[in-house]
Amino acid sequence: AQKITQTQPGMFVQEKEAVTLDCTYDTSDPSYGLFWYKQPSSGEMIFLIYQGSYDQQNATEGRYSLNFQKARKSANLVISASQLGDSAMYFCAMREGAGYSTLTFGKGTMLLVSP
Amino acid sequence: KAGVTQTPRYLIKTRGQQVTLSCSPISGHRSVSWYQQTPGQGLQFLFEYFSETQRNKGNFPGRFSGRQFSNSRSEMNVSTLELGDSALYLCASRLTGTGGHPEQYFGPGTRLTVT
Repeated sequence: AQKITQTQPGMFVQEKEAVTLDCTYDTSDPSYGLFWYKQPSSGEMIFLIYQGSYDQQNATEGRYSLNFQKARKSANLVISASQLGDSAMYFCAMREGAGYSTLTFGKGTMLLVSP
Repeated sequence: KAGVTQTPRYLIKTRGQQVTLSCSPISGHRSVSWYQQTPGQGLQFLFEYFSETQRNKGNFPGRFSGRQFSNSRSEMNVSTLELGDSALYLCASRLTGTGGHPEQYFGPGTRLTVT
């Protein structure tokens, strides 16, 4: 079974609008962390936001927020006020347990922001 | 503070050759992980090192190996290259290997082409 599922291969949004990128995860470990990364065409993976399984509040970082629904095992990324520079591939990833740094990635969602 | 650096950025090798890729983590980071990214398989975990010890290994053949030095710099080696080894190889560093400081930061990657 897939540990990280991103069901949207591609998403389109107009500049200045908000967009939600979906991510569901599967783990039996009570301690885990969820990450979102942005990968522009240059290839570098840019860290956006992190949510720990024990965090009580949804994580926010500037225009990025993570809609964490633990019971549903979902960790959707919300980008507010989209900008042209947000066009990129977005990956959801999970780290299980507290002992390792290993990340399991989803297949990604390509976001295109139009003027 | 300088980010994660990877050298070389681009590499072309012939089948059967071997290659060594280098990763310098963010200053003070002791955990280094390696990932392979291909269009078909997506992002796959290769290894994780912490304080010169391999803590975790992904499902890759023995041709893939790595090591970490006392200054936390890491190298990965691929012997007897195959066409399927063509990929973007990404290195990520983290402040500690366990517990707090969950953020992991990636380098720009090394794009390996095997002909």
